Amino acid sequence: SYVLTQPPSVSVSPGQTASITCSGDKLGKTFPCWYQQKPGKSPELLICQNHERPSGIPERFSGSKSGNTATLTISETQAVDEADYYCQTWDNTNVVFGGGTKLTVL
Amino acid sequence: QVQMEQSGAEAKKPGASVKVSCKASGYTFIDFGISWVRQVPGRGLEWVGWISGYNGRTNYAQQFQDRVTLTKDTSTTTVYMELSSLRSDDTAIYYCARDSSLTDYPMRYFDYWSHGTLITVSS
Repeated sequence: SYVLTQPPSVSVSPGQTASITCSGDKLGKTFPCWYQQKPGKSPELLICQNHERPSGIPERFSGSKSGNTATLTISETQAVDEADYYCQTWDNTNVVFGGGTKLTVL
Repeated sequence: QVQMEQSGAEAKKPGASVKVSCKASGYTFIDFGISWVRQVPGRGLEWVGWISGYNGRTNYAQQFQDRVTLTKDTSTTTVYMELSSLRSDDTAIYYCARDSSLTDYPMRYFDYWSHGTLITVSS
């Protein structure tokens, strides 16, 4: 089955830029999306490749893709951004999530 | 506003079945599908399956193919997930989410999520 690989954890200092990667063999042909999940909450859609951010999502969150690697970039990271982040795409009819990355704002 | 409201927590014994409801509101039900995603406590997100709000067509993740059934009632804009032959490792929070696949192809994303239903499987 299709697999998306994310680093388990990323650390960043407040005000700095955080980058979270997501790699997968067929990612280059799809439009990956990113979700944020805070403890005890439901996931929230952040951004998709080539798609506008949902209403209410700050411009600090951006997505890019190069080949088979997608990257979520959080600029001017704030303490409130500490959360789990998941990439997601789909192949044929199946949806795939990455394993998730815990972002720590130190 | 779009809302996805799920039924309450369930406690089941191994081998039993569970049926969870998800009532969608605030949008045209037949224009979107609904996907189910589960999350074992402390673990990542896992897609379970999808049902079209338009015609009831379904797709299931391979690992759930034999045990999950998604149905819909358009008159009440409610989708149901039934999971059978429950095992202890089915203990998880099950979310329903509005799925963009009917409207935004080739993109596919989940833009509205429920609060989730905790299903606990234990003897």
